[in-house]
Amino acid sequence: GDSVTQMEGPVTLSEEAFLTINCTYTATGYPSLFWYVQYPGEGLQLLLKATKADDKGSNKGFEATYRKETTSFHLEKGSVQVSDSAVYFCARGQGAQKLVFGQGTRLTINP
Amino acid sequence: GAGVSQTPSNKVTEKGKYVELRCDPISGHTALYWYRQSLGQGPEFLIYFQGTGAADDSGLPNDRFFAVRPEGSVSTLKIQRTERGDSAVYLCASSLTALAENTQYFGPGTRLTVL
Repeated sequence: GDSVTQMEGPVTLSEEAFLTINCTYTATGYPSLFWYVQYPGEGLQLLLKATKADDKGSNKGFEATYRKETTSFHLEKGSVQVSDSAVYFCARGQGAQKLVFGQGTRLTINP
Repeated sequence: GAGVSQTPSNKVTEKGKYVELRCDPISGHTALYWYRQSLGQGPEFLIYFQGTGAADDSGLPNDRFFAVRPEGSVSTLKIQRTERGDSAVYLCASSLTALAENTQYFGPGTRLTVL
């Protein structure tokens, strides 16, 4: 069935480092793609999304580009902050938008 | 405005008992989703409502799980004869409609522990 595979964590970086979290999806149809974030003690929040091939989603300095040819939606940020420490989930929208999530990547940023 | 709310925030029960988990979606959102998140995993889809009807219940693990949304707003997830493997965080989400471009907004979840 449809699935999402994302980079295993945990990931630990220093402040101002460059971040990439890899995400690939199975290519059934033309899904919408999402990154959700879960900050400590908070619920899931949408970080960014892209609904068609070559779209770039961006928010809070994070970016991800919908790559149909590589079935990927990698999350990037040029300079991370301590406040970016959270668990990040890649997801694809399937059918009537029920979401299929990856397993999550825990990110810790050290000052 | 108010987001998605879920009650209770925590529920501890004994094996074999019946539990109900409640979700209040964002006002005006017609689509409502239930997911289950086990420790260290991403959320897994359980069931989705468009209005009052369950449009897709393919994620419910077995017939002990049932959900209703009688008036097209509040939804209740019901679990009969709970088992220890049902322990997880149950998440509810709502969106304006069930179209691809509409964002799902998640509630804080109910943490269910079955002893």
